Amino acid sequence: AQSVSQHNHHVILSEAASLELGCNYSYGGTVNLFWYVQYPGQHLQLLLKYFSGDPLVKGIKGFEAEFIKSKFSFNLRKPSVQWSDTAEYFCAVPWGANAGNNRKLIWGLGTSLAVNP
Amino acid sequence: NAGVMQNPRHLVRRRGQEARLRCSPMKGHSHVYWYRQLPEEGLKFMVYLQKENIIDESGMPKERFSAEFPKEGPSILRIQQVVRGDSAAYFCASSPQETGTSGDNEQFFGPGTRLTVL
Repeated sequence: AQSVSQHNHHVILSEAASLELGCNYSYGGTVNLFWYVQYPGQHLQLLLKYFSGDPLVKGIKGFEAEFIKSKFSFNLRKPSVQWSDTAEYFCAVPWGANAGNNRKLIWGLGTSLAVNP
Repeated sequence: NAGVMQNPRHLVRRRGQEARLRCSPMKGHSHVYWYRQLPEEGLKFMVYLQKENIIDESGMPKERFSAEFPKEGPSILRIQQVVRGDSAAYFCASSPQETGTSGDNEQFFGPGTRLTVL
């Protein structure tokens, strides 16, 4: 079965610092990969996703993630964080029984990011 | 286009009572997922439904929990005879029926229902 691990549970940064959040998955076949974000008081929303092609994926708000198949990794990066990036970040992998392009998501535990102004 | 709606947002039950959580997917979405987030834990999949069908219920506890997504109306997650360990945030998500070549469809999330069992 698939599992997802996120290595950093709590991260504190100052504005303008660079960010990298780790995500690893266990099953080595063809995968789709997602990063979701939950800002304080808001719903979970998609930040970016990888499904094929260019392993460097660009998302919203200046975020990007790199899929490295040999390392089973999909790390999230941002060159310069802002106070407004304070949020919970979740890595997720679709898995299991499907109906078309729809499957359940297997989640990492999440990373709580606090950016100090 | 309204997002995924969940109600109630907060639900308090005493041990042994029943809890009913409702989820209305985004307009045009026919796939619904339920996830649970226990305190200090990540999101865990519970069940995935398409209209009138359960596609994957591998994350549902074997007893007391059931889910449905009828042809008309919202999806319902029902917990019978609640216990303190059921206290959690329950999130619903929905996705469209698109079957293109862009990989798995994005899931859109509701605000969650926070269940507290006294």
